[in-house]
Amino acid sequence: QQPVQSPQAVILREGEDAVINCSSSKALYSVHWYRQKHGEAPIFLMILLKGGEQKGHDKISASFNEKKQQSSLYLTASQLSYSGTYFCGTELPFSNYQLIWGAGTKLIIKP
Amino acid sequence: EAQVTQNPRYLITVTGKKLTVTCSQNMNHEYMSWYRQDPGLGLRQIYYSMNVEVTDKGDVPEGYKVSRKEKRNFPLILESPSPNQTSLYFCASSPGQPFGEEQYFGPGTRLTVT
Repeated sequence: QQPVQSPQAVILREGEDAVINCSSSKALYSVHWYRQKHGEAPIFLMILLKGGEQKGHDKISASFNEKKQQSSLYLTASQLSYSGTYFCGTELPFSNYQLIWGAGTKLIIKP
Repeated sequence: EAQVTQNPRYLITVTGKKLTVTCSQNMNHEYMSWYRQDPGLGLRQIYYSMNVEVTDKGDVPEGYKVSRKEKRNFPLILESPSPNQTSLYFCASSPGQPFGEEQYFGPGTRLTVT
């Protein structure tokens, strides 16, 4: 039931782009994306809802393919501050408001 | 400042000694939740609460208790801690249900049970 995130880790040079994927075996109501720096609390990035609505930061973009039960987070022109672990949280229909989280994707940005 | 606070931030205890981790939010949020985070497993929900006096089990509730007597507070209770409950714990809150709403996380409580 836990969504699968890929890749598990990625190393980039500053200015390069990255795509992080989140895939579920079940139909999704919404997908939530958060970033976590080591030892700190997760920070909200974006929510994508079934039907196309999105809420989040202007500098972050993401997609949600309801049919494929997949979401992707796009990080363009990466900055050093983008480093951290990215988590997707998935909400299933009729799940009583539970979020099921992926294991995370570790992103390292080098100067 | 809008925030979720947790106490203590760090705790080392022994097996079987009851403990409580407090969580408080000042945003008048209805929804609150407890997660544990272990390496390679991401966040796993322990319990959540839709509103005062309404709580429900998450994915890993065994060994934990919660209560929601006031809207702002959602303490996590470990009646008889065991070493497998050594983990990083996060409390989170959101205005309503998780869907469509950002969750605000507390700073985390690192618990070690020996």
